[in-house]
Amino acid sequence: NAGVMQNPRHLVRRRGQEARLRCSPMKGHSHVYWYRQLPEEGLKFMVYLQKENIIDESGMPKERFSAEFPKEGPSILRIQQVVRGDSAAYFCASSPIVVWGSMNEQFFGPGTRLTVL
Amino acid sequence: KQEVTQIPAALSVPEGENLVLNCSFTDSAIYNLQWFRQDPGKGLTSLLLIQSSQREQTSGRLNASLDKSSGRSTLYIAASQPGDSATYLCAVATQGGSEKLVFGKGTKLTVNP
Repeated sequence: NAGVMQNPRHLVRRRGQEARLRCSPMKGHSHVYWYRQLPEEGLKFMVYLQKENIIDESGMPKERFSAEFPKEGPSILRIQQVVRGDSAAYFCASSPIVVWGSMNEQFFGPGTRLTVL
Repeated sequence: KQEVTQIPAALSVPEGENLVLNCSFTDSAIYNLQWFRQDPGKGLTSLLLIQSSQREQTSGRLNASLDKSSGRSTLYIAASQPGDSATYLCAVATQGGSEKLVFGKGTKLTVNP
């Protein structure tokens, strides 16, 4: 059973370009979370998605950032018109179906390291 | 708003020493607490998950305790080895806080041979 997959592992973009980060959850997991780790900072929650639904996007910057988790295929975190401040490691995590009143363990992918030149 | 603090920020110990890493959180209404390990330039490896109803969890040389009422958790590493060198992250899942994890900034551990 493969773990959470993320690609690319490293991504270099110039200012103003678009960045697309992909995440394939573990088999049988229907919940995906994106976190960002800025240099010298802790991991910060960005967005929580289920298939075809955004459940919580309270950690997403208001502009340029979007996320989706389609019925088929991986979850995508999209950053438009990247700026140097977007340089960070972006981690995806997945969990199985959440039972009401509890919370399941999240399993993390290896991350995508985005560098904006 | 949940806040997680980890002390110390960095720790250097000789091989073989037992050590304790500390994590504190401000909102005691949590579902669970997780300890992770992160190697430089790598992803997160889950070490231990403690549900809110539990007091501790053990895995090999690792033992994590949880005192929910005081908002504290400790990660105990016995007989440390150079291979234990990494950054250790504590994260909590807060009730009523969606399903997101709130992370501390980590403790960078160096175990010297």
